[in-house]
Amino acid sequence: RKEVEQDPGPFNVPEGATVAFNCTYSNSASQSFFWYRQDCRKEPKLLMSVYSSGNEDGRFTAQLNRASQYISLLIRDSKLSDSATYLCVVIINDMRFGAGTRLTVKP
Amino acid sequence: NAGVTQTPKFQVLKTGQSMTLQCAQDMNHEYMSWYRQDPGMGLRLIHYSVGAGITDQGEVPNGYNVSRSTTEDFPLRLLSAAPSQTSVYFCASSYSIGSYNEQFFGPGTRLTVL
Repeated sequence: RKEVEQDPGPFNVPEGATVAFNCTYSNSASQSFFWYRQDCRKEPKLLMSVYSSGNEDGRFTAQLNRASQYISLLIRDSKLSDSATYLCVVIINDMRFGAGTRLTVKP
Repeated sequence: NAGVTQTPKFQVLKTGQSMTLQCAQDMNHEYMSWYRQDPGMGLRLIHYSVGAGITDQGEVPNGYNVSRSTTEDFPLRLLSAAPSQTSVYFCASSYSIGSYNEQFFGPGTRLTVL
């Protein structure tokens, strides 16, 4: 089983839609969690950290469920510019990345 | 600040050739790392360093060497290139590894081994 697993998608949604991604992790000792965003052929960039109590940044909401060992990312009111691949990241002793979920937002 | 820089951006090698991928950062970060990204596999950690003079292996270290003589530079050496090393390589740095420390990535090096 992979340490960090994501649905690869693609998720194709219309502008204005709400979309959610999940990411599961296998190691219960995982300490920190992040969502990164990667545009086509570019480097990953931090989207947001995931706090134990859940956190929100504008249209983006991240949740952590330690009991079920997954994190989630919710995007509300999707924009064309949200089209990208979203990478789930888990830190144990080093950073472990999921393979990413591809999102395409269409007009 | 330039952030994290990588050279070259593209490289084609023949099987058996050696080369060094360069990575530098100007943010005085202690933690630096190298990843490779392959389709459907996500980013996999090759080697990392928690400070000058200290390096350690990541998930996929075979075929690669690193050294960290200065805080700024963290070169990755391919000893004898193989087609399986065809990939996109990203260098990253952060203040430290752990909670809420953002990793900054370089633009990547696209390597093809024939």
